Amino acid sequence: ETGVTQTPRHLVMGMTNKKSLKCEQHLGHNAMYWYKQSAKKPLELMFVYSLEERVENNSVPSRFSPECPNSSHLFLHLHTLQPEDSALYLCASSQDYEDTQYFGPGTRLTVL
Amino acid sequence: KQEVTQIPAALSVPEGENLVLNCSFTDSAIYNLQWFRQDPGKGLTSLLLIQSSQREQTSGRLNASLDKSSGRSTLYIAASQPGDSATYLCAVRKAAGNKLTFGGGTRVLVKP
Repeated sequence: ETGVTQTPRHLVMGMTNKKSLKCEQHLGHNAMYWYKQSAKKPLELMFVYSLEERVENNSVPSRFSPECPNSSHLFLHLHTLQPEDSALYLCASSQDYEDTQYFGPGTRLTVL
Repeated sequence: KQEVTQIPAALSVPEGENLVLNCSFTDSAIYNLQWFRQDPGKGLTSLLLIQSSQREQTSGRLNASLDKSSGRSTLYIAASQPGDSATYLCAVRKAAGNKLTFGGGTRVLVKP
């Protein structure tokens, strides 16, 4: 069991809904990450936060909005999603920006 | 742009047989390479991390080799067990920064 938790584990939402994914790490790490894992595509890095500052944003559509209020929590706010956004969203953390990442169990998102 | 490829995409072996999983990458300027295991619908668990200066890493029945010049890494799992059934992902970290580029994974089934 890792020290990274994600809620909810499963989420079904309509295209007009607004929802948020939550990630919490209990490891005292300084960096946190959001990844997207779609069927038949490699894992894709979406956002990186280091010491609560966003350091990477890999051309992610604005309908995904990250928030890092402190070093232990990371949110991904979702609005006006498309069916192709259905995927497993994984959160990870690392001690510092270049250290080994530890992953949470993911949130399985389905957009209807 | 770094590209990571894992072949085959799926592999089925009888219990007790040795597993050989391949990972290739196009840009040899890497900081390190990491192998992960992912169980269905779950997050990633780090198995082995090889620094760019190393040739191999071992942990129990697992051995990973790295040949940077040819852009290849191989994960060996000795005496496979049904519990080894999972998807195995390799990821490379570029020299400057912490961006992990993932391969598509190899889905392994070990039959009792």
